[in-house]
Amino acid sequence: EVQLVESGGGLVQPGGSLRLTCAASGFTVGSYYMSWVRQAPGKGLEWVSIIHSGGTTYYADSVKGRFIISRDNSKNTLYLQMNSLRTEDTAVYYCARLTFRAFDPWGQGILVTVSS
Amino acid sequence: DIQMTQSPSSLSASVGDRVTITCRASQTISTYLNWYQQKPGKAPKLLIYAASSLQSGVPSRFSGSGSGTDFTLTISSLQPEDFATYYCQQSYSTSSFTFGPGTKVDIK
Repeated sequence: EVQLVESGGGLVQPGGSLRLTCAASGFTVGSYYMSWVRQAPGKGLEWVSIIHSGGTTYYADSVKGRFIISRDNSKNTLYLQMNSLRTEDTAVYYCARLTFRAFDPWGQGILVTVSS
Repeated sequence: DIQMTQSPSSLSASVGDRVTITCRASQTISTYLNWYQQKPGKAPKLLIYAASSLQSGVPSRFSGSGSGTDFTLTISSLQPEDFATYYCQQSYSTSSFTFGPGTKVDIK
């Protein structure tokens, strides 16, 4: 079964850092484009970042220079390193696989709260 | 960047109704348009990809159409489990993705 499970969320102060982890099973992370999408409380979906199978990375303007997407093929895991966090980064973060240029499947989501 | 709009932002409907949601892109995106369903507290679920292809396991009452800049999601006969928020999303470029603002479908 293809599955994604996020972890690493929690409460962090503004300016702090956090690393999210997305463990994949049922497929090889390094063979697909993998992405992070977030959803602020009560708001819509916002694409955050993507890493291509070849390793190229892209970011939304709102996180460029602060967030870093990466993967560990040996652990079949995707990461999102979040630095210089702001209150507006508070959201549920989802990892997702890009299949036929659509996001599927999605993880269950992990909450990140940035607050003092 | 490509911007996505959806209409309506919300709608009230009854079980058995035919429901249509529209999505418009700020520039042509061919058929690189996907539709998702999201229920409260849950991750989004892919319904339609490439504008009109039904994702495996999704009921056939869901259908999508359109190309270029204008797209439509149709639910032919609304069921109780279909009350949710629906998002369109463009994937014209694999370096930047955009979601529409969502359409909430609730019970009349």
